[in-house]
Amino acid sequence: DQQVKQNSPSLSVQEGRISILNCDYTNSMFDYFLWYKKYPAEGPTFLISISSIKDKNEDGRFTVFLNKSAKHLSLHIVPSQPGDSAVYFCAATPNSGNTPLVFGKGTRLSVIA
Amino acid sequence: KAGVTQTPRYLIKTRGQQVTLSCSPISGHRSVSWYQQTPGQGLQFLFEYFSETQRNKGNFPGRFSGRQFSNSRSEMNVSTLELGDSALYLCASRLGPAVGEQYFGPGTRLTVT
Repeated sequence: DQQVKQNSPSLSVQEGRISILNCDYTNSMFDYFLWYKKYPAEGPTFLISISSIKDKNEDGRFTVFLNKSAKHLSLHIVPSQPGDSAVYFCAATPNSGNTPLVFGKGTRLSVIA
Repeated sequence: KAGVTQTPRYLIKTRGQQVTLSCSPISGHRSVSWYQQTPGQGLQFLFEYFSETQRNKGNFPGRFSGRQFSNSRSEMNVSTLELGDSALYLCASRLGPAVGEQYFGPGTRLTVT
């Protein structure tokens, strides 16, 4: 039973355009959500997070949107750059992080120059 | 500040053997979590240690075990290796349970033949 789902295994976007990565969750107890980026042969690196009390959080080119009623979040990258090509993982946790992160299977983003 | 380090980076073992992986957290971080990453399952939580005590445990068989030392360094052990244990094992550290973001190491790539 997968509680965090990233239904698109891969996504291809042109440089300069917007990349939108989606994530759905089933556990209504999740109240803290994170995005991680992973390059080959490296561990995941934290990108951005959002608490369930917000519906949007922005950090430079990265914005995460949370729709609690739809149990859906998305990561927007604007503008996309070739260096953004990586695997992006969505993660969630209940209890404001006091319990382990539950990860999606990841979406591989390719930004084409 | 040095990041999370994991040793060894690559390991090849034979079915039935056992293996020990090591993780040194970021200085000052006292919480260490372990994850298994496989192509089909994404990142799956193994266990979390804080102050030498296991706080949380994922849904893995008893062949997977871990421990944490007084200096916060952690080891995980897998006994009686199976082919399906081939994976990237990631360690993540943070200041404490539910405190701060998790920072991941580069992982140990384990291949079981």
